[in-house]
Amino acid sequence: SYDLTQPPSVSVSPGQTAIITCSGDKLGDAFVSWFQQKPGRSPFLVIYQDSKRPSGIPERFSGSISGNTATLTISGTQATDEADYYCQAWDSSDSVVFGAGTKVTVL
Amino acid sequence: QVQLVQSGAGVKKPGASVRVSCKASGYTFTNFGLSWVRQAPGQGLEWMGWISGNTGNTKYAQNFQGRATMTTDTSTSTGYMELRGLTSGDTAVYYCARDQSSWPPEIDYWGQGILVTVSS
Repeated sequence: SYDLTQPPSVSVSPGQTAIITCSGDKLGDAFVSWFQQKPGRSPFLVIYQDSKRPSGIPERFSGSISGNTATLTISGTQATDEADYYCQAWDSSDSVVFGAGTKVTVL
Repeated sequence: QVQLVQSGAGVKKPGASVRVSCKASGYTFTNFGLSWVRQAPGQGLEWMGWISGNTGNTKYAQNFQGRATMTTDTSTSTGYMELRGLTSGDTAVYYCARDQSSWPPEIDYWGQGILVTVSS
């Protein structure tokens, strides 16, 4: 398997845009998902197949990919968006990989 | 609605085995698979492996090959994960998550998680 690199933390003011990146050598070869995890809770899918939002996920969550870097963007960040965010992909060795997670703090 | 309800685990002694159950509802079990993911205290997510709810085919992360076994019981829509040879490093919350029935994976819904504590 290989590593997915995320920044450990991102701080954002309410109403501003939070940008979380996820980079990996083979990221362009597989779809990327993003999960939100609040303290004491299970992870929750917010983006799949690089940029698709599951039903019920607010439009302020968006995903994109360029080359070997995937990006989760939270526009108009709200206090309720404060959480850990994990990117996830799979590789050609038939393994699922998670990034180490990014803690989003809404100041 | 899709639900994954986990049970089992608790406190185990080093060297013991643990089996975690994951009962699915709200969807056709054999149309999907299950991934198992664990999270050590204060740490990130670690994928353990995947099982098809249709064929029973499995894929395991290298770290767990030979030590973890994933199975399903389609009659009860339940998945099981057994981990053997426990050490303190296996102390974690163990999650099951709904996945695709065939590779490649695409995890969506997660169970509530079960804490396994390995301690003498």
